[in-house]
Amino acid sequence: EPEVTQTPSHQVTQMGQEVILRCVPISNHLYFYWYRQILGQKVEFLVSFYNNEISEKSEIFDDQFSVERPDGSNFTLKIRSTKLEDSAMYFCASIQAEAKNIQYFGAGTRLSVL
Amino acid sequence: DQQVKQNSPSLSVQEGRISILNCDYTNSMFDYFLWYKKYPAEGPTFLISISSIKDKNEDGRFTVFLNKSAKHLSLHIVPSQPGDSAVYFCAASRRGGATNKLIFGTGTLLAVQP
Repeated sequence: EPEVTQTPSHQVTQMGQEVILRCVPISNHLYFYWYRQILGQKVEFLVSFYNNEISEKSEIFDDQFSVERPDGSNFTLKIRSTKLEDSAMYFCASIQAEAKNIQYFGAGTRLSVL
Repeated sequence: DQQVKQNSPSLSVQEGRISILNCDYTNSMFDYFLWYKKYPAEGPTFLISISSIKDKNEDGRFTVFLNKSAKHLSLHIVPSQPGDSAVYFCAASRRGGATNKLIFGTGTLLAVQP
């Protein structure tokens, strides 16, 4: 069964460093998402991406965050200058088409900012 | 901003009995609801969904009920099995919205005792 793949599974970084989290969505999917879950809290929407542009972003997704789909398969989330409070699980998700609302999630990347 | 609430952080049920997980929402614009199951160190896995035009959807041991007037939905698992032990998240979306982003509840930890 096709799945969403995320790498790395765990990323440790120093505060102020840039990180790139990578996702390979399911191949025929067209809509892509990033969510995060801070330990003990709910899963929160960060950003959605369609047709090579951001379609919606939350207030969490400030200027330090960016997304890219550089080669038609990978979907990346970049945090330019990490803060301690960016420590969380980051999940990538995708759906096939707008009418099909079931989002399929990757296993997540645990980001630890020291 | 608690648009989706799961008021029970945990639930313990005996194997073979029914598990009932509850979810409340406040935004009347939501028209599609999903339940996800999550094991530790994994991403959310889609379980079952329901459109706002229905009040019940069944898939094997899993049934979701929607009460629009009460803005309440519930997930019934019967019979419960030890392998069902996981965190269950309720999520809601607006299919007519720009992005179909999911708004998650805080989750309910289900423990099925053998």
